[in-house]
Amino acid sequence: DTGVSQDPRHKITKRGQNVTFRCDPISEHNRLYWYRQTLGQGPEFLTYFQNEAQLEKSRLLSDRFSAERPKGSFSTLEIQRTEQGDSAMYLCASSLEGSLNTIYFGEGSWLTVV
Amino acid sequence: GEDVEQSLFLSVREGDSSVINCTYTDSSSTYLYWYKQEPGAGLQLLTYIFSNMDMKQDQRLTVLLNKKDKHLSLRIADTQTGDSAIYFCAEGYSGYALNFGKGTSLLVTP
Repeated sequence: DTGVSQDPRHKITKRGQNVTFRCDPISEHNRLYWYRQTLGQGPEFLTYFQNEAQLEKSRLLSDRFSAERPKGSFSTLEIQRTEQGDSAMYLCASSLEGSLNTIYFGEGSWLTVV
Repeated sequence: GEDVEQSLFLSVREGDSSVINCTYTDSSSTYLYWYKQEPGAGLQLLTYIFSNMDMKQDQRLTVLLNKKDKHLSLRIADTQTGDSAIYFCAEGYSGYALNFGKGTSLLVTP
């Protein structure tokens, strides 16, 4: 396995459009996390899944943000009605439950809202 | 989480040692982490330390943890130009999330 994979790597969209990002975790990892990183800042936790269950979503930035992991494997993060302030890098990470010492991140998906 | 504090910039000469410092907030954090980010890329886990340890060494990297002062440092021995990147300190909290600092930009000059 080559690590956490994210797609697309870059996305430019017009304000008001919906965007979706996909994350494929390391295959044996049952936990999957989404973070957002804006310029000059560290990553900010958004939500996470254990298998298919979304166990924490209160940190999602608004109700325009939603995430799914329907089969407990890959996950999608959708942003509806994008705003310029949504421009950021969206990072996915994965780990094994109980192995908090090894949380691995993907390369990120850059979003630019114009 | 509350703020994890890091100095924003460090410049060293190739071959010297680099020391990046971090102050974290949650005394109950089980693990503390150092990640590296190169321009336009994701985060690479460099190393971590369990909260009951004082020191961890991994090749050129040495992590020191002072729990009393909530201070974490990363020492990179024999710093190379390829070490130029942003280094993030992070604390684990709530058993699943990481709280990151703003990152320290390390510039290694020849």
